[in-house]
Amino acid sequence: NAGVTQTPKFRVLKTGQSMTLLCAQDMNHEYMYWYRQDPGMGLRLIHYSVGEGTTAKGEVPDGYNVSRLKKQNFLLGLESAAPSQTSVYFCASSSETGVTQPQHFGDGTRLSIL
Amino acid sequence: QQPVQSPQAVILREGEDAVINCSSSKALYSVHWYRQKHGEAPVFLMILLKGGEQKGHDKISASFNEKKQQSSLYLTASQLSYSGTYFCGTDNTGTASKLTFGTGTRLQVTL
Repeated sequence: NAGVTQTPKFRVLKTGQSMTLLCAQDMNHEYMYWYRQDPGMGLRLIHYSVGEGTTAKGEVPDGYNVSRLKKQNFLLGLESAAPSQTSVYFCASSSETGVTQPQHFGDGTRLSIL
Repeated sequence: QQPVQSPQAVILREGEDAVINCSSSKALYSVHWYRQKHGEAPVFLMILLKGGEQKGHDKISASFNEKKQQSSLYLTASQLSYSGTYFCGTDNTGTASKLTFGTGTRLQVTL
């Protein structure tokens, strides 16, 4: 039972580089979310998806793009990485709306931008 | 706007009780509670829906007060395994598509 899998687990980038974080879930969940977690800030929503082919902005979307071409995958892209994007990124999924069902989190990706 | 959690941190001895509060400046439609241990992913504890329902999970329970726009998490007879950071996530729009998380309450249980 893999649940929610994030790759990579760690990454170091230089300012200006681009990269894509992959989130895969094997629970057939409709809803998927990308959060970033910074010390003292809690979890802040970057983008989310309510189904295959859909995406929407969260609280802190600037500098990120997402795609949900397949139901099981949700990709988070950084086009031109900045030091302010150094953070721990968590992906989550839920079977229905966030109100009635728990969100299942991946183990996180620790990203450092130099 | 993020919900406000209090206290920010608390230290308990094993067997003691604790209460963690989550307050919102907007109407609350539901509240989620999660626990995160250091270096790990958040883990779901419980969901409370609009209606004042109280839920329990082992010796952890929670309440939801619509009028006060507040939820409280009660940890009874704390165990060492309860240590971690507790987050509440709120749905303030009623659209049910996303949550806004608080900044967390760090709980440490000692012998």
